[in-house]
Amino acid sequence: AQTVTQSQPEMSVQEAETVTLSCTYDTSESDYYLFWYKQPPSRQMILVIRQEAYKQQNATENRFSVNFQKAAKSFSLKISDSQLGDAAMYFCAYRRGSTGNQFYFGTGTSLTVIP
Amino acid sequence: DGGITQSPKYLFRKEGQNVTLSCEQNLNHDAMYWYRQDPGQGLRLIYYSQIVNDFQKGDIAEGYSVSREKKESFPLTVTSAQKNPTAFYLCASSPQPQGTPYEQYFGPGTRLTVT
Repeated sequence: AQTVTQSQPEMSVQEAETVTLSCTYDTSESDYYLFWYKQPPSRQMILVIRQEAYKQQNATENRFSVNFQKAAKSFSLKISDSQLGDAAMYFCAYRRGSTGNQFYFGTGTSLTVIP
Repeated sequence: DGGITQSPKYLFRKEGQNVTLSCEQNLNHDAMYWYRQDPGQGLRLIYYSQIVNDFQKGDIAEGYSVSREKKESFPLTVTSAQKNPTAFYLCASSPQPQGTPYEQYFGPGTRLTVT
C-alpha cells in the first residue's frame, strides 16, 4: 500500500519569508500524481498545487512551488513571501496513475505565519 | 457554479441513533469519497465509489454505510454501531484517472456531534 509521510507536524514562518514543507511517499508505481492541499480554519480543502510524476519540471503556482525528487520519493512545498492567509494545515497527497481512484494523504503540517 | 455540497454544516444526534450525511456534486465526476477527520489528524478514508451502484470500503468502514444510486449523490449513514462517531466528515469527488483535471474536489464538510 502507498504511504505518504509528513514529518513536520508544525512549522512557523515570519511574514514575507520563505518556508518549505516536507513530504515523502512510498510507491512501486512509475505513473502517479502528487498534490498539496491547504485546509484553512474554515476546514475547506483547497488544492494548492499538483505534480505529474512523468514531468521532470517542478510545478509552480504563483508563490507556491514544489521540489519533486522522483528517485528520492520526495515532494516538498515551498511557500515564498509568506502571507497571513497562508496559515493553515497543509496535506500532501498521492494518487496512482492510470488505474488509481484512491488518494493517500499524509497527516498534515500545521503552518503558522508570524506577523 | 459546479461544486460539492454537504448538508448540514453542523449535525447533532443522540447516541444510538443512525444519522445520514448528504453529499451532492454537479461536476459530473464518476468517483466519490467519504473521509473522516479527527482533531489534529489527517484524512481517513471511510468509503469510496467509482461508479453508480458500486462502492468499496476504505480504512475505517466499520459502523458506516453508503449508497450510490445516482452519479450526483453519495450519502453516508453513521450507524449506532460506530463507537466514536463525533468527527468532521468530508465528501470529495474526482474524475476517472484518465480524465483531467485529476485531483479531488472537496465539499465544505459536516461536523457531527453525538452525545
